Formats: sequence, structure tokens, C-alpha cells
Amino acid sequence: GQQVMQIPQYQHVQEGEDFTTYCNSSTTLSNIQWYKQRPGGHPVFLIQLVKSGEVKKQKRLTFQFGEAKKNSSLHITATQTTDVGTYFCAGPDTGNQFYFGTGTSLTVIP
Amino acid sequence: DSGVTQTPKHLITATGQRVTLRCSPRSGDLSVYWYQQSLDQGLQFLIQYYNGEERAKGNILERFSAQQFPDLHSELNLSSLELGDSALYFCASSPGLYYEQYFGPGTRLTVT
Repeated sequence: GQQVMQIPQYQHVQEGEDFTTYCNSSTTLSNIQWYKQRPGGHPVFLIQLVKSGEVKKQKRLTFQFGEAKKNSSLHITATQTTDVGTYFCAGPDTGNQFYFGTGTSLTVIP
Repeated sequence: DSGVTQTPKHLITATGQRVTLRCSPRSGDLSVYWYQQSLDQGLQFLIQYYNGEERAKGNILERFSAQQFPDLHSELNLSSLELGDSALYFCASSPGLYYEQYFGPGTRLTVT
């Protein structure tokens, strides 16, 4: 069946280091959305990318949607302790089925 | 505060029982999604409603059912509960199809 995998599953970084999570779907997605879930919280929408090859930036966060619309990445520059949480990619396939990625849990060591 | 409300916040019940989880979407949002998140697990999409009609179905068990009412609030019914159904259940709403989703605080269900 359809899967949206993210790697790595866990990442520990020193504060100030960069972080990247990769999202790979087995089928084409209509768009890609990124969410952040803090420990004990609910997922919070970060951004949506729609076009093939699209790149968007939010301060220290850079999001990219692959040319084939099957993969995406989130890169955080100079991590801070406030970046701690689990990052999920998500998106609908062409049949309206919505998929969340497996998530990457980020720990930032002060 | 996302504007999505879910009740109750916590629910403890016994195996074999039936419970109803309620979700009120953000004002103006037509689409409601239900998700299950088990301990240290990802988000499993259960079902989506759009303007009162079922739009997409994910890994929802036959013991589970949902509906969206004319006022757009939604309910998720879980029956014949098993220990493995213990999880956090999130509701999310969005303005329409393929738009960003706004999550409620979740209902934590514990089946004993």
C-alpha cells in the first residue's frame, strides 16, 4: 500500500547544528504539507508546497518539494532548543487519500 | 489555540464498551479529519468528511464509525473496544480539500 516514509526516525543534534529530515512517498502527492508536534502537543501546520520543485523558506527553515512530487525535505539551520519536536510531512494522493509521514523526532542538546 | 475543539479530553473505559468522541471544527472549515496516534507512533489517518459527506477512508476499523452533521461538527464512534484501541485521537479541520489542517488538542482514550 501507499507509504510515506521519513528518515531519520530520530535525530539528536547539538544546539547550533543543522538538521534535515527527508520525506519519501511511494506515489505522487498533490501537495506536501509539513507539521510540527511538540511533546505532549498536537500537530501544528508549518507550510504547504504545491508545485514540482518548489522551495520555500521560513526564517531558519527551508522546505523543498521534489520534481516528481514524491519526495520532500525540511532543513533547519542552526537549531535552537525551541525546534524540539516531531516533524511530519503529509499530503493527499490523487485519490484524495491523505497520508502522514512516519515522522522525525528532533532532540536539541543545549 | 487552533480553534478546533474536542471533547472529552480524557476517557477511560473498559473493554467491550462503546464511546463517542466529538469534534467542532474551526468556524468556516468544511472538512474534518480523524486520526489515531498510539504511544510513540505516527498519525494514522482514519476518515475524512467534507461538508457532511464522507470523502476518504483510511485505516479505520469496522468497529469504528464517524459522521459529520449539518452544523459541521463530527463524531467518531468506537465500539467493542479493545486494549489496543488505547490511543490519542485527533480531529483536524481545514477550509476545503487539500488545504492545511488545524488540529484539535485530542482525546486520550484509555481502555482497561
